[in-house]
Amino acid sequence: EVQLVESGGGLVKPGGSLRLSCAASGFTFSSYSMNWVRQAPGKGLEWVSSISSSSSYIYYADSVKGRFTISRDNAKNSLYLQMNSLRAEDTAVYYCARSRWGFWGQGTLVTVSS
Amino acid sequence: DIQMTQSPSSLSASVGDRVTITCQASQDISNYLNWYQQKPGKAPKLLIYDASNLETGVPSRFSGSGSGTDFTFTISSLQPEDIATYYCQQYDNLPPWTFGQGTKVEIK
Repeated sequence: EVQLVESGGGLVKPGGSLRLSCAASGFTFSSYSMNWVRQAPGKGLEWVSSISSSSSYIYYADSVKGRFTISRDNAKNSLYLQMNSLRAEDTAVYYCARSRWGFWGQGTLVTVSS
Repeated sequence: DIQMTQSPSSLSASVGDRVTITCQASQDISNYLNWYQQKPGKAPKLLIYDASNLETGVPSRFSGSGSGTDFTFTISSLQPEDIATYYCQQYDNLPPWTFGQGTKVEIK
């Protein structure tokens, strides 16, 4: 069974940093591109970042470019999102999702507030 | 970036009704379109991929059609468990992958 489990969310002050993790199981992690998508409270879905299977190709939304860094460790079946210089507008539930979009984690809440 | 315009933003229908949601892309995306269902507090669930293909395990009352810039999502007979917000998403070529604004479906 494919499983994606996010962790690392929490309350952080504006300007602070947070590292999200997504633990994958039930499939050959190293064969798939992975994505981060977020959803602000009461709002729609926003794609954040994508990384190819071997980390050769990385993409970011303009809203996070220069502040967020996506990475992966295929040996640990894990996806990461390092978030720096956090702003109030980054407050959201962050989901990891496998390429082809058929599998999503349950999400982890990031709250940026003083 | 490709913009996705989804309508309506909300709708109210009776059990058994046919429900239709549309999504328009700002440029040709071929058939690179997904439809999702999201219930409160849950992750989005993929229902339709490549504009018209039903994801495994999804009831056949859900369907999708269209190509190019205009797409339609249909629930042929609305059921109480279909109460949710539905999103389209384009994945043409390279990111950014953009979502529609969502359609909240309620029971009348």
